[in-house]
Amino acid sequence: LAKTTQPISMDSYEGQEVNITCSHNNIATNDYITWYQQFPSQGPRFIIQGYKTKVTNEVASLFIPADRKSSTLSLPRVSLSDTAVYYCLVVPLGDNNDMRFGAGTRLTVKP
Amino acid sequence: NAGVMQNPRHLVRRRGQEARLRCSPMKGHSHVYWYRQLPEEGLKFMVYLQKENIIDESGMPKERFSAEFPKEGPSILRIQQVVRGDSAAYFCASWKDREDTEAFFGQGTRLTVV
Repeated sequence: LAKTTQPISMDSYEGQEVNITCSHNNIATNDYITWYQQFPSQGPRFIIQGYKTKVTNEVASLFIPADRKSSTLSLPRVSLSDTAVYYCLVVPLGDNNDMRFGAGTRLTVKP
Repeated sequence: NAGVMQNPRHLVRRRGQEARLRCSPMKGHSHVYWYRQLPEEGLKFMVYLQKENIIDESGMPKERFSAEFPKEGPSILRIQQVVRGDSAAYFCASWKDREDTEAFFGQGTRLTVV
């Protein structure tokens, strides 16, 4: 079971790029990395998932170094509506028994 | 294709009553997780269910709590003899199969015990 560590909170301003790093030192070979976003009073929403190198979609980019012991979620040009809690999960491929969330990172975007 | 549906959205129960929370997964999804979330805290895993089977209930209290996912109908999380400490938001998530990488969450049920 790969434990994840991420900052409790971060502040940013509109228009800035935000990078949230997650540590997962004991990640296993068959683990993939997934990020979710949760707005107040709503259920979490899948943002992005990757195994190695870089993944980009319309919402964010995910950077994973070669050793895979960490990953960085990058949100380009944030707006006030990006204020949310962001969760990093490490999940074994083909084995969804382990979808356990940590405390997440509370991102506050200021005007 | 409707998303994960949870009902009720808000539920108020007096201490000692029973609370029944329902979760209808997305069409074609046969895997369901239940989570509990206290204010300003992360999601705490409770139970993982497949159709007619409990796969992992290690996160669920041994007493008063039970969960099921019948062959037909929604998944049910049942809390008997509720206490004030049960007040929380309860979320369910569904997956299509074990190789799925994306979980879909419902809007949650906010349980208040008075």
